[in-house]
Order: sequence, then structure tokens, then C-alpha cells
Amino acid sequence: NAGVTQTPKFQVLKTGQSMTLQCAQDMNHNSMYWYRQDPGMGLRLIYYSASEGTTDKGEVPNGYNVSRLNKREFSLRLESAAPSQTSVYFCASSESTVSDEAFFGQGTRLTVV
Amino acid sequence: QKEVEQDPGPLSVPEGAIVSLNCTYSNSAFQYFMWYRQYSRKGPELLMYTYSSGNKEDGRFTAQVDKSSKYISLFIRDSQPSDSATYLCAMTGISGGSYIPTFGRGTSLIVHP
Repeated sequence: NAGVTQTPKFQVLKTGQSMTLQCAQDMNHNSMYWYRQDPGMGLRLIYYSASEGTTDKGEVPNGYNVSRLNKREFSLRLESAAPSQTSVYFCASSESTVSDEAFFGQGTRLTVV
Repeated sequence: QKEVEQDPGPLSVPEGAIVSLNCTYSNSAFQYFMWYRQYSRKGPELLMYTYSSGNKEDGRFTAQVDKSSKYISLFIRDSQPSDSATYLCAMTGISGGSYIPTFGRGTSLIVHP
């Protein structure tokens, strides 16, 4: 059972570089999410996709873009990385009903220098 | 003020102690209440969920919801060193037609032998 798979697991970027974080789920879930986790700040929602073909901003979307490539895949792009984007990024997925559990990937540790 | 408030700790207790973890929230639209456990350098995993006010028990864990006070709790009985982790409360309510999990900051729990 792969669940939610994120790549890469670790990344170091220089300020101004761009990169795409990949996420894929094999549970046929409708909804997918990108969170960032910083010390003392908890999980903050960056973007989400309620269903294939739709994306919406979360709490902290500035500096990021997303693509729901298909039902399985949801990518997060940093066009011009900044040190403030140093964080651990988690992708999650769930069915779209209120009571559904969110399943998380293992996270991507990103450092921007 | 964040929608979900949670004391980040750390909370350090001896093995065998009863642990109480708490969250308060401000959004009356929240309908489902969940507790996730996150081990170091891992993604969060669902531990328990409850709907409406009341208690739910699962082994050594009890989740409690008081919607009138907008207050939820997680109790851990006979705590073990393996319970050492960060515990995040999460709540789901409808936003723009979608159900979005909103997380607290997480409480770091350390159970020492």
C-alpha cells in the first residue's frame, strides 16, 4: 500500500531557483492538499484541490502554484524560491466528505539558502 | 486569532501518567473533530475522530468534544514512551463547498521511562 507518495524527500535550493514538488496518491481520492509545517506554526494549508480539475487557495498561497494533473497527481511549484519558504511540505488526500480521514505523505524537507 | 488554538508544549510526563491534550476553536461550522499523531520526521496519521459532543474511547485513548464550549480533548491513559510524538487536533468544516481539514499547531508529548 503506497498511499500518498511525495518526491523528493529532501531538497536544497538557492534563492530565486524554481522547483516542483510531486505528489501522487493511489487511493482514488477526490481531494488533495498541500500543507507546510513550520516550528510552532502547525500545518498551514497552501492550496487544495477538491476534485480533479479544480484548485483553490488556502491560508498561505503566496509564492506557490499548483496543478492537479489528474485524479492521482497534485504538484506544488515554487517559481522563485525564497528563504521564507524553507519548511517541511506535506501532501495529503481524502475523500471529499466531511468525515473523511486525510492521509499524508512522508513530507519534503526544503531548505532555501 | 487562529481558528484552532493548541498549546505547543512540550509536555513531559513519566511513564504511566494520564495525559490530557486540548484544543479550542472559534468556528461554529466545524463538524468533525480529529486527533492526528505525528512521529518525528513522519507525516501525521489519524488517531481518533469524533462527531458532535460526547466521548469516544479506543483502548488507552479517549476523545472528548464539547461543542457548546468549543473545546476538544484527548486523554491518554497509562502513557508509554512509544506515545512520545506530536499530537495535532484537526477539525473539518465546509468552505466554499468543500470540506477542508484545519489543524492546530500540535502539542509535543514526551513520555519518559
